[in-house]
Amino acid sequence: NAGVTQTPKFQVLKTGQSMTLQCAQDMNHEYMSWYRQDPGMGLRLIHYSVGAGITDQGEVPNGYNVSRSTTEDFPLRLLSAAPSQTSVYFCASSYSWGSTEETQYFGPGTRLLVL
Amino acid sequence: KQEVTQIPAALSVPEGENLVLNCSFTDSAIYNLQWFRQDPGKGLTSLLLIQSSQREQTSGRLNASLDKSSGRSTLYIAASQPGDSATYLCAVKTAGNKLTFGGGTRVLVKP
Repeated sequence: NAGVTQTPKFQVLKTGQSMTLQCAQDMNHEYMSWYRQDPGMGLRLIHYSVGAGITDQGEVPNGYNVSRSTTEDFPLRLLSAAPSQTSVYFCASSYSWGSTEETQYFGPGTRLLVL
Repeated sequence: KQEVTQIPAALSVPEGENLVLNCSFTDSAIYNLQWFRQDPGKGLTSLLLIQSSQREQTSGRLNASLDKSSGRSTLYIAASQPGDSATYLCAVKTAGNKLTFGGGTRVLVKP
């Protein structure tokens, strides 16, 4: 299994540009989520999905859109990038939504710089 | 709102010393607590997961304790090695399968 994969690894955008961060998992996981990591602030949840066709907002959803058309993929869209969105973005997944026994598996991250 | 704090933010020890990493959380209504390791430029790797009903978990040189009533967890790493140098994050799981992370402790083990 490749686990959780993310593309691209690094991206530079200009203010106002749009882009999609890709996330895929090959473990048949039901639950997928996006976090952003900023210095000294830990990881903060942006959006999450409990299954194909179902998404919900996390702690910091503004400026981001998601969709989940398949079990495997969970892309994150920035419609109009802002410098405040400069961060490292992590995608994570776990087999079930409600289990308290399972950890989440994280992708390697995408570093985004918005100028 | 759940808040998770890790102090200190950075720690440097000589090789062979035991590492003690602290994590505190404000709301004791958690499902579990997890410790993760993050290497520079990499994603997070789960080290230990402690259920809310458990007091501790052990894996090799790692031992994590949980005191839910006081809102604290401690990660012990015995006989530290340079390969243990990384950032360690704790996270608590609450209702809705949501993880709240601490800011992490950056560890340097000097040879």
